[in-house]
Amino acid sequence: QKEVEQNSGPLSVPEGAIASLNCTYSDRGSQSFFWYRQYSGKSPELIMFIYSNGDKEDGRFTAQLNKASQYVSLLIRDSQPSDSATYLCASLMRAQKLVFGQGTRLTINP
Amino acid sequence: DVKVTQSSRYLVKRTGEKVFLECVQDMDHENMFWYRQDPGLGLRLIYFSYDVKMKEKGDIPEGYSVSREKKERFSLILESASTNQTSMYLCASKTGGATNEKLFFGSGTQLSVL
Repeated sequence: QKEVEQNSGPLSVPEGAIASLNCTYSDRGSQSFFWYRQYSGKSPELIMFIYSNGDKEDGRFTAQLNKASQYVSLLIRDSQPSDSATYLCASLMRAQKLVFGQGTRLTINP
Repeated sequence: DVKVTQSSRYLVKRTGEKVFLECVQDMDHENMFWYRQDPGLGLRLIYFSYDVKMKEKGDIPEGYSVSREKKERFSLILESASTNQTSMYLCASKTGGATNEKLFFGSGTQLSVL
């Protein structure tokens, strides 16, 4: 079983709608979770992190964590064409090991 | 401005060559990481280090080694390059201890092994 798993997509969402990205992790000892966005040909950039159960909101982005289900999600409200990118979920495991999922390619259609 | 610098943006090597990929950070970070990125596979962790001279294997360490002689520098070594090591290599660093510190990435090295 992979340590962090994502649906690789592609996920296609109309402009203005809500995009929902999901991630599961296998290690119950994982401490924190991160969502990175990566544009083609560029390095990943951090969008949000979350380490407590529940929701965390930042502008149009909401991260959700459910430790009992080992599930992390990212919601993007009012999706814009500029949100089209690959979204990477990452888990900070024990001993500072940071592991990424395979990424979900998101396309926002005007 | 914080910086993680990878020595080469593009590199072409021949099968069997010994290859060094260098990474330097100027933020006094304890933790440094080497990932490779291939289409559809995301970022896969090769090795990481949480202190000088300390190293830990990631998920795909076979065929690679690392060196961290100084805090700011983390080198990835391909002892005998093979075509299946053709990939984008990303170096990253972060502070240690805190659980919410973000990862700073270098701009990547696209390695082609012919």
